[in-house]
Amino acid sequence: AQKITQTQPGMFVQEKEAVTLDCTYDTSDQSYGLFWYKQPSSGEMIFLIYQGSYDEQNATEGRYSLNFQKARKSANLVISASQLGDSAMYFCAMREPDTGFQKLVFGTGTRLLVSP
Amino acid sequence: DTGVSQNPRHKITKRGQNVTFRCDPISEHNRLYWYRQTLGQGPEFLTYFQNEAQLEKSRLLSDRFSAERPKGSFSTLEIQRTEQGDSAMYLCASSLVSTGTSSGANVLTFGAGSRLTVL
Repeated sequence: AQKITQTQPGMFVQEKEAVTLDCTYDTSDQSYGLFWYKQPSSGEMIFLIYQGSYDEQNATEGRYSLNFQKARKSANLVISASQLGDSAMYFCAMREPDTGFQKLVFGTGTRLLVSP
Repeated sequence: DTGVSQNPRHKITKRGQNVTFRCDPISEHNRLYWYRQTLGQGPEFLTYFQNEAQLEKSRLLSDRFSAERPKGSFSTLEIQRTEQGDSAMYLCASSLVSTGTSSGANVLTFGAGSRLTVL
């Protein structure tokens, strides 16, 4: 079964600094997808970035980039130039392969606090 | 387009009562998902609809839970005879998938959730 591990319950960063949120995954499948979602205190899950297992380049979306190390089974999220509005819970997730739909397995999340 | 809407946002009920949550997805989205999130955990998949057809159900969805999407638009999630262990945030999400496209990066748009507290 697929599993996502986020070992950092909480992270602190100063405004304008970069921060890396760790995510490791466990799967025996060759084809899979990895996602990062942000959950502010309002509750909704906001999609940030996606990486497919066969993508050769690391995904980037604005200030977000995904450091994908396939051999190590890690998919760390890097947020550059942190902003106060980045304070939220961050979840790493994996799409179960070969299901044809978005059955996601989520980690337990990392709470990020950005200070002025 | 106002995104995915969920109602009610909060529900407090006594053990043994029935509750129903409603989800209005993005109008053109053909897929709808329900996830459950308990305190300190990430969301867990419950069930999924393609238009009006419920195509997958998690073993987490006991026989006290029923979900419908009668006309392929809004969906309801009903919990009968609630238990304290049902206390959680129930998240709805939707997506649009066209025939022949890969599910790869198909992104889910989530609602803000319905928080259930069972006393």
